[in-house]
Amino acid sequence: GAVVSQHPSRVICKSGTSVKIECRSLDFQATTMFWYRQFPKKSLMLMATSNEGSKATYEQGVEKDKFLINHASLTLSTLTVTSAHPEDSSFYICSARTGDHYGYTFGSGTRLTVV
Amino acid sequence: GENVEQHPSTLSVQEGDSAVIKCTYSDSASNYFPWYKQELGKGPQLIIDIRSNVGEKKDQRIAVTLNKTAKHFSLHITETQPEDSAVYFCAASKGNTPLVFGKGTRLSVIA
Repeated sequence: GAVVSQHPSRVICKSGTSVKIECRSLDFQATTMFWYRQFPKKSLMLMATSNEGSKATYEQGVEKDKFLINHASLTLSTLTVTSAHPEDSSFYICSARTGDHYGYTFGSGTRLTVV
Repeated sequence: GENVEQHPSTLSVQEGDSAVIKCTYSDSASNYFPWYKQELGKGPQLIIDIRSNVGEKKDQRIAVTLNKTAKHFSLHITETQPEDSAVYFCAASKGNTPLVFGKGTRLSVIA
């Protein structure tokens, strides 16, 4: 089945630094990928939709200059958290739409802790 | 936009009993309804999905039913086992739009 690989699984960084999270579709081409953020014991909140070769579409309230998304190929999307602060600490999850138009496969998530 | 409500938020059942989780959606144009299981520290895993042209779908101990008129869909897990303990999310989309998730149900199966 479709596999989405997300790295790193955990990252700790200092305030003010930037962190990059990668999301790869391993056995299919993903023209569209999605980035979600999840707080403890809460649901997944969509941050942005990433389309290969074009600018990402951000949800209302998500700072596009803080959360930089790049989708340069059909198998890779990256999320960079710039100038990270403790309030950016969260669980970030990517998802890709599979070729059957309806299927969505999720990565394993990245636990970001900003100290 | 779409709004998905999920109930209950927590559910405890005895091993071997059935568990039912219910969701309602607001956008009648939604046509894809997946259910995900999320274990602690992991990404969501698709367990079953249903499309709007189908009323019921079953996969071993798991079944999903869809009532388009009432705009609600339900997850049924029979013969629950301790390994079924997790958080379950329902979601809805129009197929070409991002998934909108319910708030989740924490299922505990007591041995």
